[in-house]
Amino acid sequence: AQTVTQSQPEMSVQEAETVTLSCTYDTSENNYYLFWYKQPPSRQMILVIRQEAYKQQNATENRFSVNFQKAAKSFSLKISDSQLGDTAMYFCAFMKRTGNQFYFGTGTSLTVIP
Amino acid sequence: NAGVTQTPKFHILKIGQSMTLQCTQDMNHNYMYWYRQDPGMGLKLIYYSVGAGITDKGEVPNGYNVSRSTTEDFPLRLELAAPSQTSVYFCASSYSVQGNQPQHFGDGTRLSIL
Repeated sequence: AQTVTQSQPEMSVQEAETVTLSCTYDTSENNYYLFWYKQPPSRQMILVIRQEAYKQQNATENRFSVNFQKAAKSFSLKISDSQLGDTAMYFCAFMKRTGNQFYFGTGTSLTVIP
Repeated sequence: NAGVTQTPKFHILKIGQSMTLQCTQDMNHNYMYWYRQDPGMGLKLIYYSVGAGITDKGEVPNGYNVSRSTTEDFPLRLELAAPSQTSVYFCASSYSVQGNQPQHFGDGTRLSIL
């Protein structure tokens, strides 16, 4: 079975500062995908960034980047130059390469303080 | 573009009643999914479909039924509603099952069972 753990229920960051959200996972699979999703108060699930496990290079999307440590089964999200619009719940998720469902963590509520 | 549309957005149901949550997508995606999100938790897969006429159980299927008569529509039916089914329900779709194809989510249906 796959499990995803987010150990930080709530975090806050000053506007324009950098924040890192933690995620660890447990799996016996060797090929898989990892995701960070953002859920603002509007409730919509928005894909932030995706990492393929067989790629050693960390994924980046503008102000968002990940630190993927496959051996440690760690997948943290770094948000640089935080903006007020980044305030949301952030979910880490796992999917097998040949799978058909996400396994989500319990989420981290991020508040960006003006 | 409409994307994934869910109706209703909110509903209150009495214990023992039945209800169908509607989901439609206009992206011609073969794969569709139903998730539930309980307070403070990530999403859990209820049912999914890989194409018209084909459905399969996810992680938490008990108390629910689905059908997929067309590519566009994937309704979720609750029979004999129970308080434990109070949750936010998300429908999603994707072009394929591979993790490199993002899932598009609807805005969710908040369902309360009293």
